[in-house]
Amino acid sequence: EADIYQTPRYLVIGTGKKITLECSQTMGHDKMYWYQQDPGMELHLIHYSYGVNSTEKGDLSSESTVSRIRTEHFPLTLESARPSHTSQYLCASSVKSSYNEQFFGPGTRLTVL
Amino acid sequence: AQTVTQSQPEMSVQEAETVTLSCTYDTSESDYYLFWYKQPPSRQMILVIRQEAYKQQNATENRFSVNFQKAAKSFSLKISDSQLGDAAMYFCAYPYGGSQGNLIFGKGTKLSVKP
Repeated sequence: EADIYQTPRYLVIGTGKKITLECSQTMGHDKMYWYQQDPGMELHLIHYSYGVNSTEKGDLSSESTVSRIRTEHFPLTLESARPSHTSQYLCASSVKSSYNEQFFGPGTRLTVL
Repeated sequence: AQTVTQSQPEMSVQEAETVTLSCTYDTSESDYYLFWYKQPPSRQMILVIRQEAYKQQNATENRFSVNFQKAAKSFSLKISDSQLGDAAMYFCAYPYGGSQGNLIFGKGTKLSVKP
C-alpha cells in the first residue's frame, strides 16, 4: 500500500544525544519535506528536497540536517539534541504535478530532557 | 509577501449543525491551487478538499465544500452536518512561488464539536 512512514512515533532522549528521525514513502514522490510543529500550532518548513542529492533549507532555521540518497528515504538528524528541539516533526511528500498536493506522515513527537 | 490568514483561532459547532472556517490569502499568481487540511488530535494530517483557482465552480467533497472568491482572495471551508469526528485543527494552504512551489500554511483553526 502506498503510504508515508515515520519512525519512531515517540522519542524521549537526553540532552547532547545524536538522533535520526526516519521518513520513508512508497508513493514514488519526488519532493519531500520536513516540518516542525508545536502541539496545536502552525507548521514551520525546516527542510525540503526536490529529489535524490537535493536538499534545501526551509523558512524556519533549524540545527538539524537532512539527506536524500534514495528517492523514498529522507532522514532528519540532530547531532546534539537540546530541550529547545522538543517538538513534533512531520514528514511529507508530493509528486511533481500542477497542484503540488502534499501527503503527510504520522509525525514523530520528540522530547529532549 | 505571500501570506495565508486564518482569522479564527478556535471555533465551536453543535453536532449536526453547519460551520464555516475562513481563510484569506495573498498571491500574485493567476493559476494556483488551494487546500484545506485536517489534523485530528494526535493523528495524521490529511487533505480535506482542493480547489483549482481557474475553476469558478466551488469544490465539494461530501459534507465539505468551499466558498472560493478569487477576486477577494478568500477560500472558506463549510462543514455541513458536523460530526464528532470533525473535531480537529484545520489548516488552509496554497503553493507559493508557482504551482511547483512549497505550500504556505495558515496558523490553523481549532474546531470543537459539541454533542
